[in-house]
Amino acid sequence: DGGITQSPKYLFRKEGQNVTLSCEQNLNHDAMYWYRQDPGQGLRLIYYSQIVNDFQKGDIAEGYSVSREKKESFPLTVTSAQKNPTAFYLCASSAPGQSLYEQYFGPGTRLTVT
Amino acid sequence: AQTVTQSQPEMSVQEAETVTLSCTYDTSESDYYLFWYKQPPSRQMILVIRQEAYKQQNATENRFSVNFQKAAKSFSLKISDSQLGDAAMYFCAYLLTSGTYKYIFGTGTRLKVLA
Repeated sequence: DGGITQSPKYLFRKEGQNVTLSCEQNLNHDAMYWYRQDPGQGLRLIYYSQIVNDFQKGDIAEGYSVSREKKESFPLTVTSAQKNPTAFYLCASSAPGQSLYEQYFGPGTRLTVT
Repeated sequence: AQTVTQSQPEMSVQEAETVTLSCTYDTSESDYYLFWYKQPPSRQMILVIRQEAYKQQNATENRFSVNFQKAAKSFSLKISDSQLGDAAMYFCAYLLTSGTYKYIFGTGTRLKVLA
C-alpha cells in the first residue's frame, strides 16, 4: 500500500538535545511538507520541498532544519534553538498537477521536550 | 498574502441533522483549489472534499457538500445526516496552483455530534 510513514509516534527528549523526526513516502510524490500543530492554531508550515535537493522555509522555520537527499525521504530536525518544541508534527506529500492537488498526510509524531 | 479564516472554533450537531461549517479566505488570485480536511481523534488527516476555483458547480461527496461563493471568497462545508463518526476537527485549506504550492490552513472547527 502506498502512503506516508512517520516514526516514532511518540518521542521524548530532554531540553537542549537535537531530535530528528522521520518521514518516508512511497507515493512517488515530488513535493513534501512539514507542519506543526498546536491547539487552536491549525497547521503551520515549517519547511517544504518541491524537488530533491531543494527546500524552502515555511512560516515557522526558526529552530528547525531539513534535508531532501532522496525523493522518498524528508527528515525534520528540531534543534535546541527551537524555543517551544513540544507539539504534534505532521508530514505530508503531494504531486503538484496530479491527483487534483490532494495532499496526503502521515500519522504524525507527538514530540515532548522536558 | 493569502489567509484562511474559520470563525467557528466549535460546533455541535444532533445525530441525523445537518450542520454547516464556515470558511472564508483572502486572495487576489483567480486559479486555486480549496479543500476540507477532517482530523478525527486518531489525528490522521483525511481529505473530505475539494473544489477547483474555476468550476462554478459546487462539489459534493456523498453526505458532504460545499457552498462555494467565489466573489465572496467563502467556502462552507455542509454535512447532511450527521453521524457519530463525523465528530472531528475540520480544517479548511487553500492552494494556489502556481508558484510555490504552499497549502494555507485555517485554525479548524471542532465538530461534536450528539446522540
